[in-house]
Amino acid sequence: AQKVTQAQTEISVVEKEDVTLDCVYETRDTTYYLFWYKQPPSGELVFLIRRNSFDEQNEISGRYSWNFQKSTSSFNFTITASQVVDSAVYFCALSEIQARTYKYIFGTGTRLKVLA
Amino acid sequence: EAGVVQSPRYKIIEKKQPVAFWCNPISGHNTLYWYRQNLGQGPELLIRYENEEAVDDSQLPKDRFSAERLKGVDSTLKIQPAELGDSAVYLCASSLYRGNSPLHFGNGTRLTVT
Repeated sequence: AQKVTQAQTEISVVEKEDVTLDCVYETRDTTYYLFWYKQPPSGELVFLIRRNSFDEQNEISGRYSWNFQKSTSSFNFTITASQVVDSAVYFCALSEIQARTYKYIFGTGTRLKVLA
Repeated sequence: EAGVVQSPRYKIIEKKQPVAFWCNPISGHNTLYWYRQNLGQGPELLIRYENEEAVDDSQLPKDRFSAERLKGVDSTLKIQPAELGDSAVYLCASSLYRGNSPLHFGNGTRLTVT
């Protein structure tokens, strides 16, 4: 069954600290896509990154980096030198093909609070 | 590029009343999604459209919820009659391609049923 687990409900860090948000997924498919979204207090979910199951290269974008490990079914997100503006709820999502269609499901999210 | 537009932003109704939400996706995006997000939870899919066709409505409570996407562009989600448990944020999203594309979300409609 398709499932996304974000075990960390809420994390608080002090500004400039590094923080890692965990995402563990379950899928029976060999072809799937993983995503991270940010939901700031304004409410609109914003796409951050997409990874397909055949690309395990880690990615860095500014202060953001993502570690994809198929061996542990994890797709973790690290923010380096966190800032107050990073405070938001972060969602991990999985898309896989099921019965000639696809399912796109979200984890329950991790609320990140960055304190000044 | 204009984003996904939803209206209204907020809606407060009494239980048993009807309510409707409207969504205008990004131009050229054939796939449209309606999600419901309860407090402290991730978005849960209600229905997905490919153009005018509802291709996944397995999670839509069809006894009280209905949706349409006329002409494959704008979409409306309706609840009739609303129940207290329907209080949530209703999110509309669109994407360019099926499955592997990022979703572009609107600001959502926060529904409160009293």
